[in-house]
Formats: sequence, structure tokens, C-alpha cells
Amino acid sequence: GQQLNQSPQSMFIQEGEDVSMNCTSSSIFNTWLWYKQDPGEGPVLLIALYKAGELTSNGRLTAQFGITRKDSFLNISASIPSDVGIYFCAGRLRAGNNRKLIWGLGTSLAVNP
Amino acid sequence: NAGVTQTPKFQVLKTGQSMTLQCAQDMNHEYMSWYRQDPGMGLRLIHYSVGAGITDQGEVPNGYNVSRSTTEDFPLRLLSAAPSQTSVYFCASRGTVDEQYFGPGTRLTVT
Repeated sequence: GQQLNQSPQSMFIQEGEDVSMNCTSSSIFNTWLWYKQDPGEGPVLLIALYKAGELTSNGRLTAQFGITRKDSFLNISASIPSDVGIYFCAGRLRAGNNRKLIWGLGTSLAVNP
Repeated sequence: NAGVTQTPKFQVLKTGQSMTLQCAQDMNHEYMSWYRQDPGMGLRLIHYSVGAGITDQGEVPNGYNVSRSTTEDFPLRLLSAAPSQTSVYFCASRGTVDEQYFGPGTRLTVT
């Protein structure tokens, strides 16, 4: 099935560093969503984006809906140990009459205290 | 308001056994879905439902059945478990917007 290209696949950083990850596609999206999954838990919604160019923050997290509607990025500033987990992007395609979400494969983040 | 709940949290089955994974939501969401998560594979959609009485297949439906008799409940049935169905299963729901909420997951091992 169709998937989003999410990168990087994994990151290992020092506490206090900033983090950036992104998702790209050859298709146009109406919605971009960013989730975090803690070990042993279900994904939790971090940020939802609905308009091209939209820039939204949630604490130390900032996400943007790309102008072309084909990409999105997530930034984490001043990382802390509890940022550890897997971050997923998801989007809903503009084409078609369905509400299924397309998912990236995730970015695994490790933070060294 | 419990959100999305799933039971059981852990399950071990022998090949050929059947079982039902339970999912319930109390947010009056019309859209519910089941995913499986395997290492390196992300979240793959098994089945979904856009409302009571309506279900459809996702990417990986083989070996799984679903039904949606009420808005709140969306059980996933494994009729004859196989080792390839060893995975973590997540139920999710959403309302009129695209923001989807997940349950805590069921970790299934088939031996």
C-alpha cells in the first residue's frame, strides 16, 4: 500500500539538542498528523495540521504543513530524556473519497542524558 | 471518559486457536479501525468501519474478521491463529475530524 517516506529512520542525540524529522510523498495531502509512541503504549497525537503552510506548536514541538501539500516536518527543541520514543507521521490524501490515513514507518528517537 | 480501551493487554495462543480482541470507545466516534504493528513495518491497517453496520478491508485483512453492531464496539476476530499473526494490535477511533485516538494495544503471541 501507499506509504509516506519518513526520515530519518532513527536518531541518537544528546540531551538539549534540537531534533528535526520529516515526511514526504509524491501525493497531495489534506491533513498531516504527528504522533508519538512511548515503549509499550499506543501512539498519542501530538499535532494536527489542516492547511498548507500551517505552522503549529505544542510546547517544545513545532510542526509544519508543507506549502506543496506533499510534505511535513516536526521539530523538537531542547530535547529531554522523556522525548524518547517512536514518532510517526500520518496524512489523509486529498484524492479519493475515503478517510483512511497513510502512515510513515516512524522515526525512533533515543536521547542520551 | 476512558477514550479507547482494548482487552486483553497480552495474549498467547496456539496455532489454530481462535480469539476475539475487544475494542470499545466512549467518544461517540463513527470511524474505528484496527492496525497491527510489527518491527520495521509501521502501522498497517487491517479493517476499518465508518459506522455501525459498515466495515471494510484495509491493507492486511487476511485471517481477520470484524463486525460493528454498535457505535461503541469494534471487535477483531482471529478465526484460526497463525504464527504470522504474532504482533501488537491497536484499535483506534476518530470523529468528524481526522485526529485519531489509539487504544493501549494488545500484544499477541501465536506459538
